[in-house]
Amino acid sequence: GQQVMQIPQYQHVQEGEDFTTYCNSSTTLSNIQWYKQRPGGHPVFLIQLVKSGEVKKQKRLTFQFGEAKKNSSLHITATQTTDVGTYFCAGGGGATNKLIFGTGTLLAVQP
Amino acid sequence: DADVTQTPRNRITKTGKRIMLECSQTKGHDRMYWYRQDPGLGLRLIYYSFDVKDINKGEISDGYSVSRQAQAKFSLSLESAIPNQTALYFCATSDIRLAGTQYFGPGTRLTVL
Repeated sequence: GQQVMQIPQYQHVQEGEDFTTYCNSSTTLSNIQWYKQRPGGHPVFLIQLVKSGEVKKQKRLTFQFGEAKKNSSLHITATQTTDVGTYFCAGGGGATNKLIFGTGTLLAVQP
Repeated sequence: DADVTQTPRNRITKTGKRIMLECSQTKGHDRMYWYRQDPGLGLRLIYYSFDVKDINKGEISDGYSVSRQAQAKFSLSLESAIPNQTALYFCATSDIRLAGTQYFGPGTRLTVL
């Protein structure tokens, strides 16, 4: 079946350093979504990418969707302690709204 | 998201007991989902429902059953709980008009002893 892998599983950075998490799908995706889960919280939607090669920015966060629509990345510039949490990518396979979630990357930020 | 609620928030039970987790939403969404979260494994889909008369198995449905009592309510049952069903369970909703964005409830932490 379809699988979505994320690396790294865990990343520890000093505040102010950059951070990137990568997402790879075994199949072509119709879209990719990113979610953030704060410690003790629930996943919260961040963004959706639909077009091949699409790049979107939200303040210090940059999201990319690969040309082949099988991979994606999230880059955070100059991390802050508020960025702490687990970041999940989720691949959409079409009109069903069903998502396949990646394994997540836990980001720890040391002040 | 306060529009998606789950009860109970925490539950400790024993092996063999029947457990029901409930999810309610006031978002008016037609689609509802149940996931379980385990460390290092991300979110795995248990069951999903696209409307009241529609139930579909996800990737890990064995040992679970669901009921969609109304558009706003979707419950998950463990007929005979076992320890490896200890996990964090999330309910989520979506609306096809919103391109699949999912809104999650606060989660239920279930421990099976």
